[in-house]
Amino acid sequence: GNSVTQMEGPVTLSEEAFLTINCTYTATGYPSLFWYVQYPGEGLQLLLKATKADDKGSNKGFEATYRKETTSFHLEKGSVQVSDSAVYFCALSDLSGGSQGNLIFGKGTKLSVKP
Amino acid sequence: DGGITQSPKYLFRKEGQNVTLSCEQNLNHDAMYWYRQDPGQGLRLIYYSQIVNDFQKGDIAEGYSVSREKKESFPLTVTSAQKNPTAFYLCASSIARQSSYEQYFGPGTRLTVT
Repeated sequence: GNSVTQMEGPVTLSEEAFLTINCTYTATGYPSLFWYVQYPGEGLQLLLKATKADDKGSNKGFEATYRKETTSFHLEKGSVQVSDSAVYFCALSDLSGGSQGNLIFGKGTKLSVKP
Repeated sequence: DGGITQSPKYLFRKEGQNVTLSCEQNLNHDAMYWYRQDPGQGLRLIYYSQIVNDFQKGDIAEGYSVSREKKESFPLTVTSAQKNPTAFYLCASSIARQSSYEQYFGPGTRLTVT
């Protein structure tokens, strides 16, 4: 079945460091891929998405490229800020029949950025 | 402002009681979803609905029930049959159930059952 695997956290970085959070997926066909962010005690917010191979999603300095050949969608940011501290979820949108449109999530990666 | 509201933010119940979590959206979205989040876990789908008066079970529907009598409302009832109901519950909606459409999430309800 479809699944998402993302790197385990927590990830602790200093301000202005480079961030990579790895995400790989297993799916048939060409699912859409998403990154969501969750701040403490809140719901999820869409960070970026990509709907086809080689698409690059970007928002607020974050970016991720849909790599069909490596089934990956790694999240990157060149210079993190303390305000980026949150939990990040990678997700794919199921394509299969009756489940189409349902999201399958990774377990989340907690990021802490120190000043 | 368009969005999804969930109420209450915190809910406490005694074991054996049913409890209903509210979810309302004014985005005019057709599809709505309920997820459960446990510490260190991703989100797991409980129920989803594509249109009014129609809904389907997700991956962990046992012990839960839903209704969709209005487009904007999708309440979730956690019944006494749910063995481990303490969790963070998130409601979401999307324009339609297609793979390219993102889901928008509410702020969540934290349910504690003792």
